[in-house]
Amino acid sequence: QSVLTQPPSASGTPGQRVTISCSGSNSNIGSNYVYWYQQLPGTAPKLLIYRNDQRPSGVPDRFSGSKSGTSASLAISGLRSEDEADYHCAAWDDSLSGWVFGGGTKLTVL
Amino acid sequence: QLQLQESGPGLVKASETLSLTCTVSGASISSSNYYWGWIRQPPGKRLEWIGTIFYSGRSYYNPSLKSRVTIFVDTSKNQFSVKVNSVTAADTAVYYCARRRGGSYPGANGFDFWGQGTMVSVFS
Repeated sequence: QSVLTQPPSASGTPGQRVTISCSGSNSNIGSNYVYWYQQLPGTAPKLLIYRNDQRPSGVPDRFSGSKSGTSASLAISGLRSEDEADYHCAAWDDSLSGWVFGGGTKLTVL
Repeated sequence: QLQLQESGPGLVKASETLSLTCTVSGASISSSNYYWGWIRQPPGKRLEWIGTIFYSGRSYYNPSLKSRVTIFVDTSKNQFSVKVNSVTAADTAVYYCARRRGGSYPGANGFDFWGQGTMVSVFS
């Protein structure tokens, strides 16, 4: 089954900029949009970035997304303690004809 | 405002059927603008898409689960449900229902609103 690959963990200090990567293949990221979700402890995933680099209303512009080829990245600038959460990437996979998710990256604010 | 609420047994015996319902409030499940889906997250593992349904009943499933899963909609109750047959310990997970805006193809829009999730444990 196709999957997306994320680093299991990331960290930064308040005010820093951190990036989280998401690696896929031609059948998912390479040919479809990427979505990013923030999951605070004990809560449901919340849409953070849609269609590679678009922010839903209410999401601070500290969060930004990008895509290049078969990889995507989520950047968080001006890191805050409340950003400590799990971050998941997702994309439609043409080979699977279904949605695939990354393994999630646990962000720690030191 | 939009709310999605999962409901169903928190414990299911191995080999039996897991059944969950998602009640949608603040929006009509019969809207032609949206699709409705189920996603699960086993403890310590990645999110896994189970399947998606349109109000007309048209549905599509994760191939790895397709033989055991059925998703159906009850527009009169503004609900949609999932059944997973022949469950094993591997089906233990938090199950989420979610909404996805329609588009020219399934990947055009991701799941933009999720329920709070419900934990289902399979015991033997």
